Amino acid sequence: TQLLEQSPQFLSIQEGENLTVYCNSSSVFSSLQWYRQEPGEGPVLLVTVVTGGEVKKLKRLTFQFGDARKDSSLHITAAQPGDTGLYLCAGAPGANNLFFGTGTRLTVIP
Amino acid sequence: DAMVIQNPRYQVTQFGKPVTLSCSQTLNHNVMYWYQQKSSQAPKLLFHYYDKDFNNEADTPDNFQSRRPNTSFCFLDIRSPGLGDAAMYLCATSRDNGRAEAFFGQGTRLTVV
Repeated sequence: TQLLEQSPQFLSIQEGENLTVYCNSSSVFSSLQWYRQEPGEGPVLLVTVVTGGEVKKLKRLTFQFGDARKDSSLHITAAQPGDTGLYLCAGAPGANNLFFGTGTRLTVIP
Repeated sequence: DAMVIQNPRYQVTQFGKPVTLSCSQTLNHNVMYWYQQKSSQAPKLLFHYYDKDFNNEADTPDNFQSRRPNTSFCFLDIRSPGLGDAAMYLCATSRDNGRAEAFFGQGTRLTVV
């Protein structure tokens, strides 16, 4: 059983389209993070959401933390080929044991 | 620049031959992690250290061991690698600020022949 489930697992869209990725859990988290990973590299932290209902923006990326702090979403506006990668949500149910979601592999076609 | 460095980037080992992967950090973070990532999957937490306190995940095989001799270095030992252990191994660090925001190395890709 996965602690953090992401959907969709795969997403292939045309450049300029919008998309949303979801991260869901039955557990409450004090914070959730989103990472992006490119092939052959380690994940890179994009954002941390801490407060229930919080919305954070990073250029064309909008991150939201659910009111109950059990879920999060990532919305990308006007996707570009440079957005291609593996998007991972992550959370630590304990003090420091950081677990990753199942991942969403995004491909943006020029 | 402060960073997390993994050596080597690529490692080929023989079936059953012990292998050690290395990780060093200049961030002075007290938490260090080892993850295993197989093709097309998300990283899977093997264990983590809080300072010298070792925390093993329940489903991490006994074949995997770790050492952290000091704050800067951490090692992953695979005692008897099997073909199923071929994967990318990722080391990460974080501060103890309640958020576990992780900084990753570039990973070591392990091939077992």
